[in-house]
Order: sequence, then structure tokens, then C-alpha cells
Amino acid sequence: DTGVSQDPRHKITKRGQNVTFRCDPISEHNRLYWYRQTLGQGPEFLTYFQNEAQLEKSRLLSDRFSAERPKGSFSTLEIQRTEQGDSAMYLCASIAATSSYNSPLHFGNGTRLTVT
Amino acid sequence: TQLLEQSPQFLSIQEGENLTVYCNSSSVFSSLQWYRQEPGEGPVLLVTVVTGGEVKKLKRLTFQFGDARKDSSLHITAAQPGDTGLYLCAGVQGKLIFGQGTELSVKP
Repeated sequence: DTGVSQDPRHKITKRGQNVTFRCDPISEHNRLYWYRQTLGQGPEFLTYFQNEAQLEKSRLLSDRFSAERPKGSFSTLEIQRTEQGDSAMYLCASIAATSSYNSPLHFGNGTRLTVT
Repeated sequence: TQLLEQSPQFLSIQEGENLTVYCNSSSVFSSLQWYRQEPGEGPVLLVTVVTGGEVKKLKRLTFQFGDARKDSSLHITAAQPGDTGLYLCAGVQGKLIFGQGTELSVKP
């Protein structure tokens, strides 16, 4: 399977704990996005990388959130001191930077975070 | 403030009925994409519309881009239970900006 892979699929944590999610994009895709989605809503943009450079961060991304893509391949999203409001599906997507605007973002199946 | 407003947010219909979903914005987009998402999965692209006034058909689905490239619609003819899912419009402004989605349920 050469699609976008996210791990874990589900994470249940207690408020105040730190969590880290991993995304493995399609191998030839050098642009990687993170989105957050709550139930029945559309995905909200969090941040994106081109290769290892983080080019944009949403104001939704508080200082408790940090994302990295150290070698320009996989990416991690860490949430420190989780709050109940962080409960959501975290989606990763990738695309080749040279793609046209007609090209789709390829999404993973997400990591569902529940903060108790 | 939602950049892309979708309506309706929820739609429950019987198999065989027709429906239209709207996606509106005050902003101009270089293109608009429609995605479909099933529970527990990521969104999957259905179509991209680029030119103002453009109409694209995908089997029973018809997509239209407004003349001013600020709005779009998705029309489904003779809906089937397999059409059930979350339909998302997304505008391209560097990154993809999504609407809040339309949850469609088609009952047999």
C-alpha cells in the first residue's frame, strides 16, 4: 500500500498527558499537511511542510502543539498537556509540490484522539 | 468566520430522490474541489472545478462552479444508499480551505 499512513489510528489519553502522532506520506510527495477535524465538520488546516521546512502554521496551532518533519519524509505532531478540547481526528495529507491545482490532496485515515 | 459555507449541513433523503448541496464564499478561489469522506477514513477527491461557469459530471453527480468562482454546487440525481457520507467543498488558496461539510444520509 503506497497511500498516506498514520499511526496510531486511535489514542485515548488523560487530560494533561502528552501525545505524539506519526504520518508517513506517499514517498514521492514533498509537501505534507496536518488538519484537525471534529465530528461532522470539515477539516481545519493546522500546518504544512515542504520537505523539512515548516512553511505555514495556523493560529489554531497553540504553543502546546508542535510538528516536525526532520528528514523531509515522515512527520510527527505532538500535543503537550492535552485538554479535552483537543479531542478530534487529526488528518495528514500529502501532495507533490510540483502538482497542479487540479491535483488532489491524498489523505491518510487519521488518528482519532480522545482526551478524558 | 467560515470562509466556505456549505448548506445544508445535514440531509436525510430516500433512495431515488434528487438533492443539491451548495458551497458559498465571499472570496474568489483559483479552483474548488469536492471531496467525499466516509466514517473512519480520510476525504477522497471527487472532482476539481477550475473555470467560472464550468460544469462537470461524474455519473449521477453534477458539479458546477459559479461564474465569479466564489461558489459551487453538487447535484446528485437518483441518490442511492452508497452515496451516504460527508461531502466537503474545498477552496484552493495556497492550501486547501474546507467548508464545514454536508452530512448526507440516503435511506433505502
